[in-house]
Amino acid sequence: SQQGEEDPQALSIQEGENATMNCSYKTSINNLQWYRQNSGRGLVHLILIRSNEREKHSGRLRVTLDTSKKSSSLLITASRAADTASYFCATDDYGQNFVFGPGTRLSVLP
Amino acid sequence: GAVVSQHPSWVICKSGTSVKIECRSLDFQATTMFWYRQFPKQSLMLMATSNEGSKATYEQGVEKDKFLINHASLTLSTLTVTSAHPEDSSFYICSARNRDLSSAWETQYFGPGTRLLVL
Repeated sequence: SQQGEEDPQALSIQEGENATMNCSYKTSINNLQWYRQNSGRGLVHLILIRSNEREKHSGRLRVTLDTSKKSSSLLITASRAADTASYFCATDDYGQNFVFGPGTRLSVLP
Repeated sequence: GAVVSQHPSWVICKSGTSVKIECRSLDFQATTMFWYRQFPKQSLMLMATSNEGSKATYEQGVEKDKFLINHASLTLSTLTVTSAHPEDSSFYICSARNRDLSSAWETQYFGPGTRLLVL
């Protein structure tokens, strides 16, 4: 069953602006991960944040996790046209598999 | 490290034929691999979990007799779509966990995907 749900489903911004994507989930999790997918390609792992962590950074990426609200956000600062892709959150509920959200399609316009 | 490959990257076949897709972990051993299906503009849906040396675990609604999974070694899992039909046309993606990496064992590494088109 689908756990994570991204918001918004589609986002269009200008180059240089920040992009924020949100993910909500329903059950207890071990960790939450964000992935990027360019059109028609495989997934690239961006960040893993564990249930006992609140914030992580990686370059221009900032991920937050609020377990009380069962939500996470992915912030991309100073966006570039090359950031255009679909972004998915995936929750790991201590099991063997992930459950992916529907994804956010980000378009960064030059 | 932690590279996963898939072969073929795309395949076109006639309705009724069977198609085999390979998923390999190139530089690590993967006791567990996962198979996902992704329809256009949709998210990934887990089809099955492939365990080395044992039967795969299928998600609800996935026909195990139609999607045959064989995890013959620690680096290879295959998905065979039997008697393929146009509605099986999709993007199939495999992934694996590298349990040898103490710092990153929770991360799934994804293959580049296989696009299947059934005519």
